[in-house]
Order: sequence, then structure tokens, then C-alpha cells
Amino acid sequence: EIVLTQSPGTLSLSPGERATLSCRASQSLSGSYLAWYQQKPGQAPRLLIYGASSRATGIPDRFSGSGSGTDFTLTISRLEPEDFAVYYCQQYGGSPKTFGQGTKVEI
Amino acid sequence: EVQLVESGGGLVQPGGSLRLSCAASGITFSGYWMHWVRQGPGKGLVWVSRIDKDGSSTNYADSVKGRFTISRDDAKNTLYLQLNSLRVEDTAVYYCVRDANGYFDYWGQGNLVTVSS
Repeated sequence: EIVLTQSPGTLSLSPGERATLSCRASQSLSGSYLAWYQQKPGQAPRLLIYGASSRATGIPDRFSGSGSGTDFTLTISRLEPEDFAVYYCQQYGGSPKTFGQGTKVEI
Repeated sequence: EVQLVESGGGLVQPGGSLRLSCAASGITFSGYWMHWVRQGPGKGLVWVSRIDKDGSSTNYADSVKGRFTISRDDAKNTLYLQLNSLRVEDTAVYYCVRDANGYFDYWGQGNLVTVSS
């Protein structure tokens, strides 16, 4: 099973600042099969990024993904108030599909 | 409007059973693999089970293998999860999700299952 480790656990920032979230895989993800999701309290997760760097439909361009192999990054260029949430990475290059433990972006 | 609407959750005693349903509307259901993902109280996301496009192949997390059964009825645009021999550690919000190509593009609103005596 591929283990995903996200860091930091919590990121304390202000609106307008840049957020950089990390996701490290225990083994290389062929094809950059990594996705990012955003989850707000009481809501289901929402797909942000797939294929490590492709934005899902309707996702603002302040969200960007990068990386390959074992190291991946989600960047939010300028935080908006609605961006404060928990972010999860997920790999789909191996079975079973696994998620990271999440990074909370808080004010 | 795209919707995956789960139902069937609730409070059950250890050892009991429940059947979760997930009704799809506004999206294509048939032709896609479907999954269940759960999230324990205050915890992260955990994949539970998946079913392929025509229901001929299924997989389960080790923690639920032999106790949970996933199925689908494409004529009704509905996904199911039968939960048997429930344990306290199965307490979670259960999400049905559509598999776009390995990643999950549509999520239901979640359905809480509480296992407690």
C-alpha cells in the first residue's frame, strides 16, 4: 500500500498570502497519478487537481499542482477567505487508492 | 444539477447491519466505476470499496472484507453498500464517489453510520 504523508499538519496564514502544501509518497507514482481535494467543515470533499497538475472543472487558477515521482505540491497563490479548509492528496497509481492525512489551512 | 444522494445510515448496535444507498441524478452513472469512501469522526478519508462498470468486479479494504458488500443497479442509477457485522470502528460518514479515471470527480453529501451500544 502506498502511504502518503502530508506536511505541514496545519498552516496558519492570512488572506492574500501564498500557501504551499506538500504530499510525499512512499513509492514513486507512475503517470503522476495524484489528486488534491478540498474539504470544508460539514461538507464532502471537492476535487481540485488531478494528474498532479490539471485543474478540475470550475477550479480557480489560484490553485495549482506540481510534482512527480514521490514529491507533490499544491499551491494556492493568494488565499481567499473561502480557501481556509482541509486539503487531502490522494494517489491512484497503486491499489488500494490511498489518501494523505490532510493539511488544515487556517487563518 | 449533479447529485449523488446517500441514504440508509443511522445508529446500529455492534454486530448489526445496515444498507446504504446512493442515488445519482444529473450525471452519467452507468459506464463508471463507483466507490465508497469513509471518514471517521475528526479523521481523514479512507477508501472502502469499489465496483467496476458492469458490477462484475469488486474490491474491498482489508478492514471491511467479508463484512461489506458493494453492488449497483444501473437501471435505477443507484449504488449500494451492505454493511454486516458492524463494529464500533466502522462509525463514520460514508461517501459514494464517482471514479473519473482513478480520481474522484463527484461526491455524495455523506451519510453517517454510528455503531454503538
